[in-house]
Amino acid sequence: DGGITQSPKYLFRKEGQNVTLSCEQNLNHDAMYWYRQDPGQGLRLIYYSQIVNDFQKGDIAEGYSVSREKKESFPLTVTSAQKNPTAFYLCATQGNGAQDTQYFGPGTRLTVL
Amino acid sequence: AQSVAQPEDQVNVAEGNPLTVKCTYSVSGNPYLFWYVQYPNRGLQFLLKYITGDNLVKGSYGFEAEFNKSQTSFHLKKPSALVSDSALYFCAVRDLGSSNTGKLIFGQGTTLQVKP
Repeated sequence: DGGITQSPKYLFRKEGQNVTLSCEQNLNHDAMYWYRQDPGQGLRLIYYSQIVNDFQKGDIAEGYSVSREKKESFPLTVTSAQKNPTAFYLCATQGNGAQDTQYFGPGTRLTVL
Repeated sequence: AQSVAQPEDQVNVAEGNPLTVKCTYSVSGNPYLFWYVQYPNRGLQFLLKYITGDNLVKGSYGFEAEFNKSQTSFHLKKPSALVSDSALYFCAVRDLGSSNTGKLIFGQGTTLQVKP
């Protein structure tokens, strides 16, 4: 987990609200990723960014948005359009090489009330 | 399409016995393979990876994995299990498609339960 921070650790949202999850890194990695984890389904990619000011949709981007204004930061917004947002959200970073390891933050657990 | 399968939802072993967590993959070209471990309500911790070279890869906490190209497998092993090894284990393969996103494709995960 070291070098990647996610906040908050727990987040509660009312239906219809947008919420933003924070991901910050001091590893000087160019690439950053957001995954969603649901029980029994492994990890699914939401969005990723390989460089500042650029990002692409992953496999389940609907109802989510991101920005990458700084190398260190890759916040994820869960919008009211996401119908089933309750999940564990994981941020990851990776160096430039294809052989580089992807490292994960400690995660944010989002619960919709 | 590239994919990873972990055929066992749960593996149970007694402390001190050897453990194996299975992973098979399907990729076009040479695979880059990874193992991660996750403790409850925590992020994933990197254990080891295979890129090229020796088929037996050694990683953190005494874990190792054997790459078998003919069987398209990358099983995680440890000679002597500890109760503290009880956790959720993920196998992953890097997507090396034309977009070169670096993204990982994960298996469903295998829960390892080590009993005293």
